[in-house]
Order: sequence, then C-alpha cells, then structure tokens
Amino acid sequence: QVTLRESGPALVRPTQTLTLTCTFSGFSLTTSGMCVAWIRQPPGKALEYLARIDWDDDKFYNTSLKTRLTISKDTSKNQVVLTMTNMDPVDTATYYCARIRQQLADYWGQGALVTVSS
Amino acid sequence: DIVMTQSPDSLAVSLGERATINCKSSQSVLYSSNNKNYLSWYQQKPGQPPKLLIYWASTRESGVPDRFSGSGSGTDFTLTINSLQAEDVAVYYCQQYYSNPPHTFGPGTKVEI
Repeated sequence: QVTLRESGPALVRPTQTLTLTCTFSGFSLTTSGMCVAWIRQPPGKALEYLARIDWDDDKFYNTSLKTRLTISKDTSKNQVVLTMTNMDPVDTATYYCARIRQQLADYWGQGALVTVSS
Repeated sequence: DIVMTQSPDSLAVSLGERATINCKSSQSVLYSSNNKNYLSWYQQKPGQPPKLLIYWASTRESGVPDRFSGSGSGTDFTLTINSLQAEDVAVYYCQQYYSNPPHTFGPGTKVEI
C-alpha cells in the first residue's frame, strides 16, 4: 500500500525559508523509474508543479522558482525534503507530494497548508 | 515550458448528461517515435488531492469508471464524462508530461450539477 504524508510548519513568516518533508511508504526511491514530486495549490487556484527528484538523484525544478527551491532525498528514511527560500504571502498554498511512476502522479499525499504571514 | 489551457473555466451539467472539457497545449505533446500523446487528466474533489484519471490522452487508470473518456492528439484534447453522476462534481486538470519536468497543468475546469 502506497502512502505519502507531508509535514512542515503551517505558518511561515515572510522572507523565511520553508522546509517540507514528504514521508512515504509502499515503494522505494532506489527502484529504477521511481520519482517523487512536489506540487502546490494556492487556495482556490490551480496546481503548480514545483520540483521532482528521481531514483538516480536527477532533479528538476519549476523554471520560475528554481532559484528558490531545493529538493533532496533520504532513501534510508523514505523521505523527500523540499526547501523554498524567501517565502512571500503569494506562496501561501497547500503543498502536495506525489509519487511519480512512468511520469504520472499516481499517488498523492493529503497535502499540507502553508500560510505565509507576518 | 509548455503552457496548458483549458476551456471552459466551469460548466454546469444535469445529472445523466454529458460534460465535455477541452485542453490545449502550446506545443505538440505527441511523441512521434511511439505515437503516444503525453497528456493526462486529473480529478480533484473538494478538500482532496488530485486523482489520476487518464493517461496517454485516452487510457483510463485502473478503477476509473468507463463514463470517463479522453481523446485528442497533438495539441488538442478532450475529456468527456458521459452520464454525469453526482460524485463527478470536481475540478478537472489536464497535464502534459512530454518534456522534462516541470510537467505543467492546465488551469482547471470546474464541473457542477
């Protein structure tokens, strides 16, 4: 059974760095072809693809946000971590992690709402 | 990056009727070497994460009812929901996975009764 769970702060101050952790089970990021992605959704708005990390440690980032994003993995803990620097109120969103298999997000976490406010 | 657009933004459909959602990509997502369209559809119900419905533009994910169907090729795609049910009320997103990530999503189409 594949599960993913996002964890991190619910409230972040402007200019701070956000660190989110995706803890997963039911698959391994050492398996060829497996990936984990972070996708966010501002309240009432569309999905936005942020970053992806692959089993071979390849990393991909949203073009407009890549200077602020870092994705990493800890395969021993079955975790993927996303950091986003210089947070702004417009970054208020639900942040999802998802398993990516054959380029498709077939399992998603329930999401973590992050509010950026002073 | 490939830009995805959808139409309409929202639509209201009577129970049992058909809903049609359109999706357009800024460049072709058809890979000529395998003749596959790298286009997927997701359903997102209120308060829930998205759920994969269709991939390769027309292949239903396991467990997805056959009233959902996808069609199209190249840059123009359609998601059709036949005989709409109450549980189909949701926002539907198309996504391209043709290029390296980011695999961009469309802006979504809200389906209401």
